Amino acid sequence: ILNVEQSPQSLHVQEGDSTNFTCSFPSSNFYALHWYRWETAKSPEALFVMTLNGDEKKKGRISATLNTKEGYSYLYIKGSQPEDSATYLCASNSNSGYALNFGKGTSLLVTP
Amino acid sequence: EPEVTQTPSHQVTQMGQEVILRCVPISNHLYFYWYRQILGQKVEFLVSFYNNEISEKSEIFDDQFSVERPDGSNFTLKIRSTKLEDSAMYFCASSEANRVDTGELFFGEGSRLTVL
Repeated sequence: ILNVEQSPQSLHVQEGDSTNFTCSFPSSNFYALHWYRWETAKSPEALFVMTLNGDEKKKGRISATLNTKEGYSYLYIKGSQPEDSATYLCASNSNSGYALNFGKGTSLLVTP
Repeated sequence: EPEVTQTPSHQVTQMGQEVILRCVPISNHLYFYWYRQILGQKVEFLVSFYNNEISEKSEIFDDQFSVERPDGSNFTLKIRSTKLEDSAMYFCASSEANRVDTGELFFGEGSRLTVL
């Protein structure tokens, strides 16, 4: 995998549903995996920065896992709420530099 | 809560004109970045800046682009002679940590540049 890829591109769930998205990234020379939440007309906001294989992080109802050997990360949202509606961006850094390589994002819509 | 602020929020310019986009990073942050997103495409890295010099730049960041931190607070991106394909949302970001493997980025709300 040369680029960061995210799936699905968009997702529509009902309030209370749990959901998850996938991020695939280059596993060679991996340094870090970032997840950002981006609401319309606002700035992207960091959710997690993950570096270690097998790492799992949690913030409220949102959690993420990381597999650096196979190059993927999952983001889980438990009991989705309308305020979770946003685009979720994944980005990786695959060398010792500063640039983050972003995926196209997963657009989540949660309806009451 | 500290935040990254960007001005202008939207700028319309004619092709060939110079544009300066301004950013005020979070005050205790040391690392500064510009990213952009062309409509419908991925967010792309342009440049990172530390200790008053460019630390890394992408292929997009050619001689038409420059950055500076003129007064210790503002961080600017200049596009010398805009092209149609420069139309995008430009995001400034800053981070406290010195490596992206430890430090999250704090983004501004973006400056939308439209080149006619």
